[in-house]
Amino acid sequence: GIQVEQSPPDLILQEGANSTLRCNFSDSVNNLQWFHQNPWGQLINLFYIPSGTKQNGRLSATTVATERYSLLYISSSQTTDSGVYFCAVRFSGNTPLVFGKGTRLSVIA
Amino acid sequence: ETGVTQTPRHLVMGMTNKKSLKCEQHLGHNAMYWYKQSAKKPLELMFVYNFKEQTENNSVPSRFSPECPNSSHLFLHLHTLQPEDSALYLCASSSGGNEQFFGPGTRLTVL
Repeated sequence: GIQVEQSPPDLILQEGANSTLRCNFSDSVNNLQWFHQNPWGQLINLFYIPSGTKQNGRLSATTVATERYSLLYISSSQTTDSGVYFCAVRFSGNTPLVFGKGTRLSVIA
Repeated sequence: ETGVTQTPRHLVMGMTNKKSLKCEQHLGHNAMYWYKQSAKKPLELMFVYNFKEQTENNSVPSRFSPECPNSSHLFLHLHTLQPEDSALYLCASSSGGNEQFFGPGTRLTVL
């Protein structure tokens, strides 16, 4: 069936370290988004990236649609980066986003 | 205000109460969504509205009743809820299948 799998499920980093989060999806997509859910529950848009590479400050993302995966890179991590990172995809047309289970990131000082 | 707003941000209610959650989007989008997120669980899609018409109902119990009077406003009416309905309720909007934006959520506790 339609699946979105994220890895790793949990990640603990020392402040200043770099990390890569992965999202695999089971079919071709016309929308892929990365979100950061902060400790108060708000889902913050990081990237809208159905294909290609984008960068925003210390964060960047790459989606290789033909190989059905996306990567989120966090460089020089800070304690404020802590939270849950979700990948979500739209497989076709106007269908709802399908969310992965998330990666819980803890950045310690 | 900009983006997607939700009120109230926190709500405590008894099992016999009736309350409503409100969502408003200021982005000119035509699709609006309700999600439920229980503790330590993934997001669950509840309802989808496109141009005020409900296009998806993910087997949600009838004690949750959505209302979408126009493309900018979405309500979730709650009645005779159970303690297991305690969760974070998130509203989102999008323009068709494009980028989706979320509100800050309503944290609901049912006593």
